[in-house]
Amino acid sequence: DSGVTQTPKHLITATGQRVTLRCSPRSGDLSVYWYQQSLDQGLQFLIQYYNGEERAKGNILERFSAQQFPDLHSELNLSSLELGDSALYFCASSSGTGGYGYTFGSGTRLTVV
Amino acid sequence: AQSVAQPEDQVNVAEGNPLTVKCTYSVSGNPYLFWYVQYPNRGLQFLLKYITGDNLVKGSYGFEAEFNKSQTSFHLKKPSALVSDSALYFCAVRDGYGGATNKLIFGTGTLLAVQP
Repeated sequence: DSGVTQTPKHLITATGQRVTLRCSPRSGDLSVYWYQQSLDQGLQFLIQYYNGEERAKGNILERFSAQQFPDLHSELNLSSLELGDSALYFCASSSGTGGYGYTFGSGTRLTVV
Repeated sequence: AQSVAQPEDQVNVAEGNPLTVKCTYSVSGNPYLFWYVQYPNRGLQFLLKYITGDNLVKGSYGFEAEFNKSQTSFHLKKPSALVSDSALYFCAVRDGYGGATNKLIFGTGTLLAVQP
């Protein structure tokens, strides 16, 4: 157990639907990062939150959004899903600067059918 | 912008032989470099990092990496490969100069296959 908890582990849904992925960071970590891993795009950074505030945005689609709550857990919302959104979505956390490292969750595998 | 490159999509090595997985970096300022490993259907596991100090960094599972500033490289090494080392390996660099905006930027990954 890495200390970063992601739920659900697997998700199968239809095109056009909306899903929410959840991440609980390691205890004490203030930063949460979301990544998408697909076969053709590799590991792509989506978005970062630090202590409830958005701090960095990557190639995140407008159909995707995220937030970090006061208890520091984060949710990634994916809407109007397309087949191409099928991927492994990772959450990672760090203490802030990242100098002590980044801890990854086991991921949520999303399959859009 | 910060970036890392992994020039090999796949590395094949026989069990018991030394292995090297290559990574080069391009950064502004001092690099924070990381290696992660991903086993099939698993998350990313931290192997080692270079922040500052000795150029030879020792990590988990007998892996080590050598930071070479003149060649801008951070190759992952292990003296004797095991079949169980077969996995996908990612090199990564921390973006930014510290503070709160500090995402990790990953290379494309190298698949290590160790033959018995």
